[in-house]
Amino acid sequence: NAGVTQTPKFQVLKTGQSMTLQCAQDMNHEYMSWYRQDPGMGLRLIHYSVGAGITDQGEVPNGYNVSRSTTEDFPLRLLSAAPSQTSVYFCASSVSTKSPAEQYFGPGTRLTVT
Amino acid sequence: DQQVKQNSPSLSVQEGRISILNCDYTNSMFDYFLWYKKYPAEGPTFLISISSIKDKNEDGRFTVFLNKSAKHLSLHIVPSQPGDSAVYFCAANTFGNEKLTFGTGTRLTIIP
Repeated sequence: NAGVTQTPKFQVLKTGQSMTLQCAQDMNHEYMSWYRQDPGMGLRLIHYSVGAGITDQGEVPNGYNVSRSTTEDFPLRLLSAAPSQTSVYFCASSVSTKSPAEQYFGPGTRLTVT
Repeated sequence: DQQVKQNSPSLSVQEGRISILNCDYTNSMFDYFLWYKKYPAEGPTFLISISSIKDKNEDGRFTVFLNKSAKHLSLHIVPSQPGDSAVYFCAANTFGNEKLTFGTGTRLTIIP
């Protein structure tokens, strides 16, 4: 199993550009989520999904869109990048939607918006 | 409002000694607590968890203690090893709730 994979590893965007951060898992996990990590802020939940076709907002959803058309993939879209979205982004998955706390994380995408 | 707090941004411990990382929470609805470990340029990895019906859980060198009345949990690592140098995140949620709340992390450095 590859586990949770994320692409790209690094990305530089100009303000106003759009892009999609890719996330895939091959563990047949129902629960998937996106976090951002900022210095002194820990990990904050952006969006999450409890199964294909079902998504919901986390703590900091503004400026981000998600969709879940398959169990395996959970892309995160930035429609119009802003410098405040400079961060490290982690995708995670969990086997259980009733107890999703024990999550497997991907290696992260470091995004810089200039 | 930070519902899960790790007040020590960093901690240095001699190799072989005990490392104690602390975490406080404010939401009394939390009933499941976890510790994650993160190395640079990698994603966090799950380390150990504890349910609110317990006050202690052990896994090898790692023990988590929960004091519900004080809304406090701690992670003990004995003996500390150089490979334990990492950032440790405390996290909490309510069973059945899909959202996990993380603390800000403590950077642990083990001195050889």
